[in-house]
Amino acid sequence: AQSVTQLDSHVSVSEGTPVLLRCNYSSSYSPSLFWYVQHPNKGLQLLLKYTSAATLVKGINGFEAEFKKSETSFHLTKPSAHMSDAAEYFCVVFSGGYNKLIFGAGTRLAVHP
Amino acid sequence: DGGITQSPKYLFRKEGQNVTLSCEQNLNHDAMYWYRQDPGQGLRLIYYSQIVNDFQKGDIAEGYSVSREKKESFPLTVTSAQKNPTAFYLCASSGPSGVSYNEQFFGPGTRLTVL
Repeated sequence: AQSVTQLDSHVSVSEGTPVLLRCNYSSSYSPSLFWYVQHPNKGLQLLLKYTSAATLVKGINGFEAEFKKSETSFHLTKPSAHMSDAAEYFCVVFSGGYNKLIFGAGTRLAVHP
Repeated sequence: DGGITQSPKYLFRKEGQNVTLSCEQNLNHDAMYWYRQDPGQGLRLIYYSQIVNDFQKGDIAEGYSVSREKKESFPLTVTSAQKNPTAFYLCASSGPSGVSYNEQFFGPGTRLTVL
């Protein structure tokens, strides 16, 4: 069975410092992985996706993620945090079959001035 | 503008009442989904529909019902059988099934509170 584990429920950074949100996955075959962002009381927006092409994936708003099969990880990074990055971030694995997504529990990112 | 709309944004329900949440999309997507979101948890799939007049239970379908009479619409009814319905409900849609993955586009959500 596929699953994702987000290792931190909350992350707090200062504006202008790097962001690291950690995600480990479990999958019996090569997975498709995604990061979504959710601002308060809003729907989800796709940040980036990995579908077995390049292992370093670039997304919107300066975010990127690296797929590491040996570590079963798909961590999300950004070199310099902005106040507008404060939101909840979800790591997601595609379950195959009927386009089902399996969500991690989420990481809430706070950005301080 | 193409997108997904959900209404209402906020909904209050008395115990024992059924309520229906609306989800409409004009993206010409075949597939539609309903998720439930609780604090500190990821989204959990309630129901999904790949084509009109067909739908399947997700992981937490008990106490919910859906219909898919039109491609554009996928309403969710929260019945009185749902013991803990207070949550944030998100609707999503995606393009043709049968390919490896299609991005799911999400609506803005409906926050349901049971009084």
